[in-house]
Amino acid sequence: LAKTTQPVSMDSYEGQEVNITCSHNNIATNDYITWYQQFPSQGPRFIIQGYKTKVTNEVASLFIPADRKSSTLSLPRVSLSDTAVYYCLVGDERQAGTALIFGKGTTLSVSS
Amino acid sequence: AAGVIQSPRHLIKEKRETATLKCYPIPRHDTVYWYQQGPGQDPQFLISFYEKMQSDKGSIPDRFSAQQFSDYHSELNMSSLELGDSALYFCASSPWTSGGYSYEQYFGPGTRLTVT
Repeated sequence: LAKTTQPVSMDSYEGQEVNITCSHNNIATNDYITWYQQFPSQGPRFIIQGYKTKVTNEVASLFIPADRKSSTLSLPRVSLSDTAVYYCLVGDERQAGTALIFGKGTTLSVSS
Repeated sequence: AAGVIQSPRHLIKEKRETATLKCYPIPRHDTVYWYQQGPGQDPQFLISFYEKMQSDKGSIPDRFSAQQFSDYHSELNMSSLELGDSALYFCASSPWTSGGYSYEQYFGPGTRLTVT
């Protein structure tokens, strides 16, 4: 299982773009990168998943460089409600449908 | 849209008692997962079921057991409760994606278990 490393915390202001980078130097060929968001006392919520280059949905963008040793979750124009813990997970595509292994996430604090 | 339902939402038990947590997955989701999140901790995977069979096992104590029933709901049974079992217990579900690779799981609101 590829180990991931994220910043412990980040601060931002409303309206700014926030980029959270996750390092996964030992990522394997079959691994996908997934990001989850968790608000206090709530279950984690799937944000986005990708394999390479760029993936975008209505919530965020995920940038993955060619070597795939890192990935960046980009949240455009954050609001106070984006204050949460963000988790980067790396998992083998052949084991999709199995456990999510959460590491230490990034606590994002957005202020006005 | 229907979401994962967990009951009860709050539960208070004493040491050495037993507890049963229930999870009702989103309709047509056939995989159920259980996670434990202690205070200030990250979610830890306990166990999962696919089509009523155990599919994966994580750090679930021997005092805990779980099963998935024919209607796909799942129950987590916890015995000989300890103070350290106090945590949020999340159930999640996902649909089977044949040949797929999605790590998208839908989490319920959780059951907060307090052991005194």
